Amino acid sequence: DSGVTQTPKHLITATGQRVTLRCSPRSGDLSVYWYQQSLDQGLQFLIQYYNGEERAKGNILERFSAQQFPDLHSELNLSSLELGDSALYFCASSAAGYSSSYNSPLHFGNGTRLTVT
Amino acid sequence: DQQVKQNSPSLSVQEGRISILNCDYTNSMFDYFLWYKKYPAEGPTFLISISSIKDKNEDGRFTVFLNKSAKHLSLHIVPSQPGDSAVYFCAATANTGNQFYFGTGTSLTVIP
Repeated sequence: DSGVTQTPKHLITATGQRVTLRCSPRSGDLSVYWYQQSLDQGLQFLIQYYNGEERAKGNILERFSAQQFPDLHSELNLSSLELGDSALYFCASSAAGYSSSYNSPLHFGNGTRLTVT
Repeated sequence: DQQVKQNSPSLSVQEGRISILNCDYTNSMFDYFLWYKKYPAEGPTFLISISSIKDKNEDGRFTVFLNKSAKHLSLHIVPSQPGDSAVYFCAATANTGNQFYFGTGTSLTVIP
């Protein structure tokens, strides 16, 4: 158990809809990262938050947004959903604010599988 | 632009033998490298890491080797066990940014 909790585990929705994915980081971790894994693809970085502030942005679509709340949990909002948004969405947390802080690896949740029909 | 590459999608090894998983990277600024293991229906689990100031790091049956001049790292598992069967991802990051870049994974099967 990594200590990172993601809800829901599965989500099935229709095109054009909006969904919210939730992540609770490990106790004490201040950084939250969101990754997308599409079929047969690697993990694509979406966005990072550190202690409530956006720290880094990857290939995140404008239809997607995220935030980190004062209690450090994070939400990823996906809107105007398209079929191609179907994927596994992982949240990971880290104690450090900077990715190259040694001995601060990412710890992943079990993901939310989003299916857009 | 795939900055971290795992060119072998799959690998099969006999139980008890050595498993060697390879990873190449293109960004010379990367200074921290990690390996993750992923079972189906679970998130990736951190396995072992190495900083760019080292060329080897060992943790039990797992050893990671880093060859900076070749921009190559490898994960050795000795001896391999059936429970090691999983998808292995390598990842890298640089102190110039906050992203962890992941490879596409190698599926390891350890045959009893």
